[in-house]
Amino acid sequence: KNEVEQSPQNLTAQEGEFITINCSYSVGISALHWLQQHPGGGIVSLFMLSSGKKKHGRLIATINIQEKHSSLHITASHPRDSAVYICAVTSGGGADGLTFGKGTHLIIQP
Amino acid sequence: ETGVTQSPTHLIKTRGQQVTLRCSSQSGHNTVSWYQQALGQGPQFIFQYYREEENGRGNFPPRFSGLQFPNYSSELNVNALELDDSALYLCASSHPGAGVYTGELFFGEGSRLTVL
Repeated sequence: KNEVEQSPQNLTAQEGEFITINCSYSVGISALHWLQQHPGGGIVSLFMLSSGKKKHGRLIATINIQEKHSSLHITASHPRDSAVYICAVTSGGGADGLTFGKGTHLIIQP
Repeated sequence: ETGVTQSPTHLIKTRGQQVTLRCSSQSGHNTVSWYQQALGQGPQFIFQYYREEENGRGNFPPRFSGLQFPNYSSELNVNALELDDSALYLCASSHPGAGVYTGELFFGEGSRLTVL
C-alpha cells in the first residue's frame, strides 16, 4: 500500500510570495494528481503527472520518479489561492483508486 | 464547473438506517470512483466502477456497495449506518479509455452525511 506524505501540513504566507508544497510517496506509481479543495468540499483537479513538469498559469507541478517526490509551486500567490492542496497517487492498473495525502492547508494573507 | 453532480448535498440519518447517494457524470465518462472524506482528513478510496462493473475496492466493508448505470450515473449505498460513517462522500469520473487514472479527474461537490 502506498503511503503519501505531504509537507507542510499548514502554510500561511503573504500575497505575492512563492509557495512550494511537497509530496512524497513510498511505492512506484503510474500517475500523481494535484488537487485543490475549497471550504465546502468541492475538489478541482489541477494537474496529472507521470513524469517531468507541467505549468498552468501561476501553478507549476514537478515530479521526480526516481526520488518518488513531487512539488507544487505557486508563483505570485494571491488570497484566492487559499485552499487545501492534496496530492494523490495511483499505481498499477489504477483499479486501486487513488491514495491521498492529508493535504496542505494554505492561507494567503493580503 | 466539473460537469459532475452529486445528490443530495447534505443529509442526516440515524444509526442503523440505510442511505443512497447519487452521482451524475459527464456523458461518456465510463469510469467513476467513490471516496469517503472524514473531517480534517484526506479522502479514502471506497470503490471504482468501469463500464458498470466494480473493478477496484478499498478497505471498506461489504455494507458499502455501488452501482453504475448506462447513462453514466452511479450510486453509493451504505447499509446499517454507523456513527463513523459521518463524512463527505465524493465521486470522481474520468474520460473514456481512462480506466486507469492516467487522465484528468472530475469531482463532484460531495454529499455530506451525518449519522446520529
